Amino acid sequence: AQSVAQPEDQVNVAEGNPLTVKCTYSVSGNPYLFWYVQYPNRGLQFLLKYITGDNLVKGSYGFEAEFNKSQTSFHLKKPSALVSDSALYFCAVRALITGSARQLTFGSGTQLTVLP
Amino acid sequence: EAGVAQSPRYKIIEKRQSVAFWCNPISGHATLYWYQQILGQGPKLLIQFQNNGVVDDSQLPKDRFSAERLKGVDSTLKIQPAKLEDSAVYLCASSSSEQYFGPGTRLTVT
Repeated sequence: AQSVAQPEDQVNVAEGNPLTVKCTYSVSGNPYLFWYVQYPNRGLQFLLKYITGDNLVKGSYGFEAEFNKSQTSFHLKKPSALVSDSALYFCAVRALITGSARQLTFGSGTQLTVLP
Repeated sequence: EAGVAQSPRYKIIEKRQSVAFWCNPISGHATLYWYQQILGQGPKLLIQFQNNGVVDDSQLPKDRFSAERLKGVDSTLKIQPAKLEDSAVYLCASSSSEQYFGPGTRLTVT
C-alpha cells in the first residue's frame, strides 16, 4: 500500500522569506510524486511532479520540490514567499507500475499562511 | 481549454435523502475520477473510470454510493440514502497525464 505523510498541519512564514512544506512517502517501487494547491472553494490545482531525472523539479508560480530517495521525501520549496501563496497544499504519490490504475494517494494537507 | 465542470457547487440535504452530483471532464480525457474530501483530510479516491468502464471502485461504499459514465464523457455520482458522515466535498478529476480537478461539490448532510 502507498501512503503520504505531511507532518505539519500548519506552516507560517513571513512574506519574502523562503518556505518549505514537508512531505514523505511510502510506495512499492519507484514513485510518481506530485504537489497540488487548493485555494478556498476551489478545486486542486497541479503545481509540479517528479517522475524521473533531476531530483530538483521546478513547477508553477516559482515553486520547486526536491526528491530525496534515501529519505523518501519530496519537500516543496519556494525561495521567497508571497501573501498570495497562502493556501492548502497537498502532496500525492502514485506507484510507477506498468498497468497500474494511476491511483493517487494524497497526504492530509498543510495549510500555508504567508504573513505580510 | 475549459476545465473540469461540476454541479451543483453546494448541496444541503437531510440524512436518508438522496443526492446526485454531475461532472463534465476536460474534452478528450478518457480517465475520470471521483474523490471524497472530508474536512481536514486529503482527497480519497472513490471510483475511477476509463472511458465508460470502471477501473477501480474498491473504496466506493457500494451499499449507498453509485456512479456511472454511460457515454464515456459526463459522469454522475449518487448517494442514496445519505448519512451524516457523507458530509464532504466531492471532487471530480480527469486526466490524460496529470489529473485536473473540478471545483467540487460541497455536500452537507443534516
